Amino acid sequence: EAGVAQSPRYKIIEKRQSVAFWCNPISGHATLYWYQQILGQGPKLLIQFQNNGVVDDSQLPKDRFSAERLKGVDSTLKIQPAKLEDSAVYLCASSLGMSREADTQYFGPGTRLTVL
Amino acid sequence: KQEVTQIPAALSVPEGENLVLNCSFTDSAIYNLQWFRQDPGKGLTSLLLIQSSQREQTSGRLNASLDKSSGRSTLYIAASQPGDSATYLCAVRDLSGNTGKLIFGQGTTLQVKP
Repeated sequence: EAGVAQSPRYKIIEKRQSVAFWCNPISGHATLYWYQQILGQGPKLLIQFQNNGVVDDSQLPKDRFSAERLKGVDSTLKIQPAKLEDSAVYLCASSLGMSREADTQYFGPGTRLTVL
Repeated sequence: KQEVTQIPAALSVPEGENLVLNCSFTDSAIYNLQWFRQDPGKGLTSLLLIQSSQREQTSGRLNASLDKSSGRSTLYIAASQPGDSATYLCAVRDLSGNTGKLIFGQGTTLQVKP
């Protein structure tokens, strides 16, 4: 079974530029999560989708971050404009669903973003 | 607001030692607690998941315990090996809402020296 795919793996940009990350979840997984992991910290949930609807985006900085999951499969996370403090690893995860029986999350390798 | 704390932040041990990693959480109303392993440049791999009704889970040389009333969990690694070197993260799924959201600690970075 293929895992969660993410691209690019690494990205270096200058502040005020824009950047986009892509995630392809495990086939059949209805729930998709984007996490931000700053160096030395645990991952923090940015946004969660159930199919193509947003379940939780309470910690997403909406003035600069946006995300979409068209057709309920792939997802894109965008930052525009980027700030220095956005330097982090962006992790995508997916699960079959949100119920206790189906919520095991499988993580992709992450995209490491450096903002100069 | 649920907060998860892991102590110590870093740990270095000689090969063969048994060791314990600690995790504490502030709100005992949780669905489950999960321990993950993170290798440099890679994503998270789930090691053990303990449901709120369970006291412990075992997988090979790993044993995780959960004391919900005191808000604590431990991950015990027996006979440590250099291949165990990684960052270990604990995460809780709490009962506020039913979104499957995980709240992570900051991790313990383990180095096992040959």
